[in-house]
Amino acid sequence: DQQVKQNSPSLSVQEGRISILNCDYTNSMFDYFLWYKKYPAEGPTFLISISSIKDKNEDGRFTVFLNKSAKHLSLHIVPSQPGDSAVYFCAAGGGGKLIFGQGTELSVKP
Amino acid sequence: GAVVSQHPSRVICKSGTSVKIECRSLDFQATTMFWYRQFPKQSLMLMATSNEGSKATYEQGVEKDKFLINHASLTLSTLTVTSAHPEDSSFYICSARDGSGGSYQPQHFGDGTRLSIL
Repeated sequence: DQQVKQNSPSLSVQEGRISILNCDYTNSMFDYFLWYKKYPAEGPTFLISISSIKDKNEDGRFTVFLNKSAKHLSLHIVPSQPGDSAVYFCAAGGGGKLIFGQGTELSVKP
Repeated sequence: GAVVSQHPSRVICKSGTSVKIECRSLDFQATTMFWYRQFPKQSLMLMATSNEGSKATYEQGVEKDKFLINHASLTLSTLTVTSAHPEDSSFYICSARDGSGGSYQPQHFGDGTRLSIL
């Protein structure tokens, strides 16, 4: 039973364009959500988070949107850069634990 | 800030060997550390939550006698895979959360340990 799902295993975007990564969840009790970025052979790096009481959080080129009624969140990266190429995991938090999605591999082409 | 060091990064050993993996928070105190396992192309699966000075809380299906966790200080947690067998081969990764900010603080991850049992 996958409580957090990233349905797109991969995404390819041209440099300078917007990257949109999507994540769906099933448990309405999650109270915060996070996005992590992971390079091969490294641990995930925290990018941005959002509380369940908000619908948007922005940090530089990264914006996370939360639609609680749809149980959906997305990460927007604008403008995308080749260095953004990595695997992106969304995670949902509740009760002190995180549940991770399967990850989406983003490739930003020059 | 928020650096987590995990080592070794890679272990190759014979079946039946016990392997210890260390996870350290270098610049913050971590009252809670987490141990995950990741299979290729899959999500990070939480194995256990480790609280300093108390017993770890294991997720359903994780054998506590197989995966021994010790969190003896605010900066160190260890995972020991006892009598490892080929099916234990995987990528193990730890994370730590700064205890000063409450449970909404993000977890910070080590770089993982690739365990290969021959």
